[in-house]
Amino acid sequence: NAGVTQTPKFRVLKTGQSMTLLCAQDMNHEYMYWYRQDPGMGLRLIHYSVGEGTTAKGEVPDGYNVSRLKKQNFLLGLESAAPSQTSVYFCASRRNYRGSSSYEQYFGPGTRLTVT
Amino acid sequence: KNEVEQSPQNLTAQEGEFITINCSYSVGISALHWLQQHPGGGIVSLFMLSSGKKKHGRLIATINIQEKHSSLHITASHPRDSAVYICAVKGGSEKLVFGKGTKLTVNP
Repeated sequence: NAGVTQTPKFRVLKTGQSMTLLCAQDMNHEYMYWYRQDPGMGLRLIHYSVGEGTTAKGEVPDGYNVSRLKKQNFLLGLESAAPSQTSVYFCASRRNYRGSSSYEQYFGPGTRLTVT
Repeated sequence: KNEVEQSPQNLTAQEGEFITINCSYSVGISALHWLQQHPGGGIVSLFMLSSGKKKHGRLIATINIQEKHSSLHITASHPRDSAVYICAVKGGSEKLVFGKGTKLTVNP
């Protein structure tokens, strides 16, 4: 199993450009998440999905959109990139199962995005 | 005040030392997650626990729900343990609340 994969690994955008980050998981997990990680701050939740066709806002959703058309994929879109969106983006997934162990999240390798 | 506080922020140890990283939280939780972030940036899940203690190899995680505190211990530390260790708590919502991490450096 590849686990959780993210593409691309690196990207440089100019202000105002758009792009889509792809997250894919092969573990048949119901839940998927997009986080951003900035220096000196903990990981912050952007959007999440509890199943195919569903999405919900997290802590810092402004400027981002997401889609979950297939269970294994979770896309994060930036419609008009801003320098404040320079960050490292992580995708994660987890299964839907009773018990605390089900809350364990599995992370992708991250995408480093720079907006100039 | 952050909901999740980790201490210390930075920790330097000599190979073989016993390491303790602490995590305190201020909200009611259903589970606590310890993660390791490698120097290359990848994040790996170490433990998910809601009570008691878990052990995996040289790593031990404990949690005291009444005191809202968890510790991550590393026995016989090794330079390959050098990483950032992150504590995250899950309350009633879907959101995990993350600490800022503890950067551990183990020197040979």
